Amino acid sequence: NAGVTQTPKFQVLKTGQSMTLQCAQDMNHNSMYWYRQDPGMGLRLIYYSASEGTTDKGEVPNGYNVSRLNKREFSLRLESAAPSQTSVYFCASRDFRGSYNEQFFGPGTRLTVL
Amino acid sequence: KQEVTQIPAALSVPEGENLVLNCSFTDSAIYNLQWFRQDPGKGLTSLLLIQSSQREQTSGRLNASLDKSSGRSTLYIAASQPGDSATYLCAQQGSQGNLIFGKGTKLSVKP
Repeated sequence: NAGVTQTPKFQVLKTGQSMTLQCAQDMNHNSMYWYRQDPGMGLRLIYYSASEGTTDKGEVPNGYNVSRLNKREFSLRLESAAPSQTSVYFCASRDFRGSYNEQFFGPGTRLTVL
Repeated sequence: KQEVTQIPAALSVPEGENLVLNCSFTDSAIYNLQWFRQDPGKGLTSLLLIQSSQREQTSGRLNASLDKSSGRSTLYIAASQPGDSATYLCAQQGSQGNLIFGKGTKLSVKP
């Protein structure tokens, strides 16, 4: 049981390049989330997918797109990277059992945009 | 807008001390509250989850409490050890199951 996995672990892009961050979970969770973590700002929600086939914007969605490929996989795409998108990106999935909700996080992708 | 605040931003204590980390939230209609630990350059490790109907949760030397009426949660660490040094994050669950995070308390436990 690997939990939540993310690829790549590190990435350096030039302004204007595109890339996709991959996330997969093997815990059969319905909901998945993408957050970014910046110094002094804490973690902020970019997009989320409450269930397979649905996606919604979070607090900071501009410049990103997402795809919920299947129940296991939720990808985040930067179409035209900007230096302001330099950040650490975390994917999470949620164990939802009635009133019990716990989120589990992947190890993160450290992205630098030059 | 829901906000989560953690005080202090940084804390340094000698090994063996008991300590309390504080978290306050603005939305009293809280669903769940989750405490995490983050080591430098690493991901988030879930420590404790307190459901909205609960008042506290315990795991080993950790105890987290929740007081919805005052909008506060505390994380109590007993007999601190150098290995407890990390950043501790508090997060309130939003209506869509997402988490709203505080900015964390950076803890340093000195031998």
